[in-house]
Amino acid sequence: KAGVTQTPRYLIKTRGQQVTLSCSPISGHRSVSWYQQTPGQGLQFLFEYFSETQRNKGNFPGRFSGRQFSNSRSEMNVSTLELGDSALYLCASRLDRGLNYGYTFGSGTRLTVV
Amino acid sequence: GQSLEQPSEVTAVEGAIVQINCTYQTSGFYGLSWYQQHDGGAPTFLSYNALDGLEETGRFSSFLSRSDSYGYLLLQELQMKDSASYFCAVEISGYSTLTFGKGTMLLVSP
Repeated sequence: KAGVTQTPRYLIKTRGQQVTLSCSPISGHRSVSWYQQTPGQGLQFLFEYFSETQRNKGNFPGRFSGRQFSNSRSEMNVSTLELGDSALYLCASRLDRGLNYGYTFGSGTRLTVV
Repeated sequence: GQSLEQPSEVTAVEGAIVQINCTYQTSGFYGLSWYQQHDGGAPTFLSYNALDGLEETGRFSSFLSRSDSYGYLLLQELQMKDSASYFCAVEISGYSTLTFGKGTMLLVSP
C-alpha cells in the first residue's frame, strides 16, 4: 500500500513569506502528526490531528498552524518565515493512539528560508 | 515535560552486537518506541514496548524497565546497512504524540 506522501520535497522561501506543506497519510490512518527536525533540536512535535480536529499541540509559536481534511489529508502552514524555520518537516500517520503500532513517516519537506 | 537521554554515537563492526541505551523522565508513561533513520531518509518504526521485558523482531530486540525508566535497543549480526541514527521516543498517557531523544548515530565498519 502507498506510504505517507509529503509535497513538496524541497522548498526555498524568503524571510517573511509564508509556506504550506501537504501530507497524505496512509489510507485508513486517521491520526496525522507533524514534526520539525533540525540538527540542533532533533525531532520536535508540532501538532497532531485526528478526524479533522487538532488533538495535541507542541510548543511552537502561533505562526505554525495546521489542519486536516475529511479525507485525512493534512496541511501545515508557517507564516512570516524566519531563518530559524529552516528544517526538515516530517508528517507521520497511524491508525490511532492506544494501539502499539508505530508511526509511518513521510520522507519530509526540506524547507530552506533565506 | 519529558526528557530522554541516549548516547550520541556508537561504533561497532560487522557481525557484532550493539546495545543503544535510553533513559527517560516523564509522567504518565505509556510506551517507548524506537525508530531508525538513514541519512536523508524518513524515520522508520522498529519496535514498541509498553510493558517490562524484551520484544524481539528479527535481528532487533528492544527492552523496557518501567521501574528504572530505562530501555535499550539491541542489534545483532550487524550489517553495514545498519549504519543510521536510532531514536528512542516516549508516548505518554492520553496524548498521541512522541517525544524523541536526540538520537544515536551508529557507525558499522567492515
